[in-house]
Amino acid sequence: SQELEQSPQSLIVQEGKNLTINCTSSKTLYGLYWYKQKYGEGLIFLMMLQKGGEEKSHEKITAKLDEKKQQSSLHITASQPSHAGIYLCGADVQETSGSRLTFGEGTQLTVNP
Amino acid sequence: NAGVTQTPKFRVLKTGQSMTLLCAQDMNHEYMYWYRQDPGMGLRLIHYSVGEGTTAKGEVPDGYNVSRLKKQNFLLGLESAAPSQTSVYFCASRLPGGPQETQYFGPGTRLLVL
Repeated sequence: SQELEQSPQSLIVQEGKNLTINCTSSKTLYGLYWYKQKYGEGLIFLMMLQKGGEEKSHEKITAKLDEKKQQSSLHITASQPSHAGIYLCGADVQETSGSRLTFGEGTQLTVNP
Repeated sequence: NAGVTQTPKFRVLKTGQSMTLLCAQDMNHEYMYWYRQDPGMGLRLIHYSVGEGTTAKGEVPDGYNVSRLKKQNFLLGLESAAPSQTSVYFCASRLPGGPQETQYFGPGTRLLVL
């Protein structure tokens, strides 16, 4: 089965600092998703990466998928308190009974003003 | 367009009681999923469905049953609740296929089993 490992598990940064969250897969990734979750709420889709070397950005958040398609990183530039939350990576898993997402454990981000 | 909704938002059960969590989506999505989220363990898939009348087991199906009688609804049942089932439950739905597919999540149901 495919496993996703996220690092770090938690991160505390000062407002304005840059940060990176990593997601490593035990198998080749065919679809890698980044979600954000605020405490007590559902997941919000951020970005999806599919091709080796692909990079996408949304506002101050950039996500990359490495050439070998086994690792993705999420980079936040000039962090703000609004970036605080849990970031989860998810990977497409294709099974005979259908497709589903498997998730990493999540990274808890705290941004101090 | 309400997206994915979950009922109830919060529930307290005693060990051995039963309950059903309801997930509804109005986006005509084929696929629907039930996850549980526990501290330090991310989201784990309980059961999922790829269409009306079909269900499949996920990573942690024991102690749960599901039904997909209507395309827009996916029910998660606990026949005899246990404290280990204390968790936050999320429902999700998606359209299959295509490079831009995304999975939409409900707001979650917090369940406490005493």
